[in-house]
Amino acid sequence: DQQVKQNSPSLSVQEGRISILNCDYTNSMFDYFLWYKKYPAEGPTFLISISSIKDKNEDGRFTVFLNKSAKHLSLHIVPSQPGDSAVYFCAATKGNYGGSQGNLIFGKGTKLSVKP
Amino acid sequence: ETGVTQSPTHLIKTRGQQVTLRCSSQSGHNTVSWYQQALGQGPQFIFQYYREEENGRGNFPPRFSGLQFPNYSSELNVNALELDDSALYLCASSSTSKQFFGPGTRLTVL
Repeated sequence: DQQVKQNSPSLSVQEGRISILNCDYTNSMFDYFLWYKKYPAEGPTFLISISSIKDKNEDGRFTVFLNKSAKHLSLHIVPSQPGDSAVYFCAATKGNYGGSQGNLIFGKGTKLSVKP
Repeated sequence: ETGVTQSPTHLIKTRGQQVTLRCSSQSGHNTVSWYQQALGQGPQFIFQYYREEENGRGNFPPRFSGLQFPNYSSELNVNALELDDSALYLCASSSTSKQFFGPGTRLTVL
């Protein structure tokens, strides 16, 4: 029973274009969502997060959109750079808005390749 | 300010053995969470420690146990190792905001 799903195992994008990574969830109790980036041989690095009381959060080139009715969120990277090539994990948690004290439920990840 | 560190980096054990993995949390963080990441999967929550007490547990058997020390560092112990325990074990520390992950320990069980 996968509560957080990333249905695209991989995505290839040209440098300078937009990358859109998608994530679906099934548990309506989730109230905080996070995106992590992971390079090989490193731990996941926090990228951006969004609370369920918002529908958009922006940080530089990264924007996360949340559609609660569809239980769907997406991460937009504009413009994409070769250094963005990594595995991106979507994660969700419930019971608090900080994402720190609760356990994170992760998707399986999407491998993004940005080609020069 | 040092980040989250984990030791060892890699470990090879045989089935039935016991293993201890270690994690030093980021300065000022009082909560440590452990995750198991199998190949091709996302990290799965094992358990969390807050101020030396277990504060939540995922769907893992009792042979997975842990400790948190007064300096907030932590250990993950796994007894009676099975082949399926082969994975990357991640530690994350947090205070009042997002979780920060260490580089992980790659455990191989033969």
